[in-house]
Parts: sequence; structure tokens; C-alpha cells
Amino acid sequence: KAGVTQTPRYLIKTRGQQVTLSCSPISGHRSVSWYQQTPGQGLQFLFEYFSETQRNKGNFPGRFSGRQFSNSRSEMNVSTLELGDSALYLCASSLAPADTQYFGPGTRLTVL
Amino acid sequence: AQTVTQSQPEMSVQEAETVTLSCTYDTSESDYYLFWYKQPPSRQMILVIRQEAYKQQNATENRFSVNFQKAAKSFSLKISDSQLGDAAMYFCAYRRAGGSEKLVFGKGTKLTVNP
Repeated sequence: KAGVTQTPRYLIKTRGQQVTLSCSPISGHRSVSWYQQTPGQGLQFLFEYFSETQRNKGNFPGRFSGRQFSNSRSEMNVSTLELGDSALYLCASSLAPADTQYFGPGTRLTVL
Repeated sequence: AQTVTQSQPEMSVQEAETVTLSCTYDTSESDYYLFWYKQPPSRQMILVIRQEAYKQQNATENRFSVNFQKAAKSFSLKISDSQLGDAAMYFCAYRRAGGSEKLVFGKGTKLTVNP
């Protein structure tokens, strides 16, 4: 069974631009969570989706948004990029919200 | 708010030896899950082991085992017969059972395995 896939793997943007990251969960998994990983702050929870509904949101500004489609694929969007948004963005999927999360390889976003 | 603390930023071990990584957590919940994840230099986060708080028996997965002390809120990971492929960042994570299912991570421990 294929694992969690994330596209693109690497992204370079400039301040003020917006970016969309994509996550395809493991087949059959309906819950998707997003995390931001930085050297300074470590791993921080962004949001969680299940059945196209956002169930939980972390402490991030409104520039960070996401959605989930009927096939469980998820996207996250960051608008008006700032230098501090440079990070590894990890997506994790699980069968249901209460189940173990399995991570994708991440998208490395660099904001110049 | 729940917090997870990994007090050892870096650890090293000789190949074939045993190493223990420490993790403590703070929660007022009685039902929760604890995890160890491994993140090799390639960055893919891999689940190593999972422990349910209501289970007194320590979880084991091949060479990986945990020492779960619920009263002390301690959750250490023991790696036996260390291999070069065990070199990675190891993250301890907590998740409340029910309600918010987000993972709360520690800062990680970088494990080096010396040949």
C-alpha cells in the first residue's frame, strides 16, 4: 500500500506570495493532519481534517488555511508569505481521527 | 496544555550496544497515547512504537521497547543491539484520547550510532 505522498517536495517562494501544498493520504485513510517543523519551534500542529471538515486548528495566523476533498486528499494554503514561514511542512494521515498517524516525506518551503 | 520534554538533545551509542532515550510529559488527562517517531536524515517521519496509557504492559517492537511509568509521567525508549540505520532524530509525542487528536511533540533527540 502506498504511503502518504506530498507535493511538491521542495518549493522556493518570495515574501508576499502565496503557496499551496498538497497531501494524498494512505488509501482508506480519511483523517489528515498538518504540522510545521522548524529548527527553533520544532513540530507544531497546524490543523486536522476528517470527512472534509476541519476538526481542530493550531495556533497559527489566518494566513494558514486548508481544506480536504471528498477523496480525502488535502491541501494547505499559506498567503502573504513571510520569511518565518520557511519550514518543513508535514502531512500525516490516519484511518480515523483517533488512530495512529503516519507521516509523508514533507514539503520543504523556503521563503526568500 | 500538555507538554512533552526530551532532556537529551543529542545521544551517541556504539553499534550493537543499547541506548535509552528519555521523555517526560505533563498532562492532567488519564487516558492518552504516547509515541516514539524516528526521523532519519531523509526526513520521512516513521512510527517506532506506540503505548496506550491504560495498558500497564510496556510496548515492544523488535529491538525497540519502552519503559512507561504513568505515575512519574515518563516514557523512555530503549534501543537494543543498535544498528547504523538507527541514526536519526527521535521524537516523543503525546496525544489525548478523544477530543483533540493532535500530536504534541518533544524537541527531539539526535541519535548517532558509531561503528
